[in-house]
Amino acid sequence: SQQGEEDPQALSIQEGENATMNCSYKTSINNLQWYRQNSGRGLVHLILIRSNEREKHSGRLRVTLDTSKKSSSLLITASRAADTASYFCATVGYSTLTFGKGTMLLVSP
Amino acid sequence: DTEVTQTPKHLVMGMTNKKSLKCEQHMGHRAMYWYKQKAKKPPELMFVYSYEKLSINESVPSRFSPECPNSSLLNLHLHALQPEDSALYLCASSQEANSEREYFGPGTRLTVL
Repeated sequence: SQQGEEDPQALSIQEGENATMNCSYKTSINNLQWYRQNSGRGLVHLILIRSNEREKHSGRLRVTLDTSKKSSSLLITASRAADTASYFCATVGYSTLTFGKGTMLLVSP
Repeated sequence: DTEVTQTPKHLVMGMTNKKSLKCEQHMGHRAMYWYKQKAKKPPELMFVYSYEKLSINESVPSRFSPECPNSSLLNLHLHALQPEDSALYLCASSQEANSEREYFGPGTRLTVL
């Protein structure tokens, strides 16, 4: 299985702080994506990084990818209470998404 | 319209019941997916439809029966479910079946008594 493993499993921070989540995976990938899920609802796509890219930015999000270490990180800067959610990395090998176990982020006002 | 809709939002059924979950998208996407998600776990892929044809079945028990009547609709027919099938069932769609980006519906919370 190329299921990703997120680290940490849970993260609690104050508003304004940065949040960093890490994802490791096992096999070669086509691309890696990050999704957010609020309290048992649908997932929202945040960002996609391809296997030949090393870093990508989108608003307050910064994603890095190290294919040699089979790992990725998601940085959320200047966090807000509304960022409270579960965050999943998802790897794409051939054609389907395989989700990691997720990081639960709690941002306190 | 970048929305995937799912009905019903909640469903409670007995083990002998037959029910269906429905999913709809009007983004012109040609791939649609069913996922199952247990509490505090990641979504697990069940089925993939590409151009209205079933392309992937992740060894799902036959008590789950998918159907794609047209390019905008996806159904999941449920029969003789077990309590352990209780979960959040998520539908998703993407432009093509290459998972560049999937759009998820809000899910159906299923409870099997």
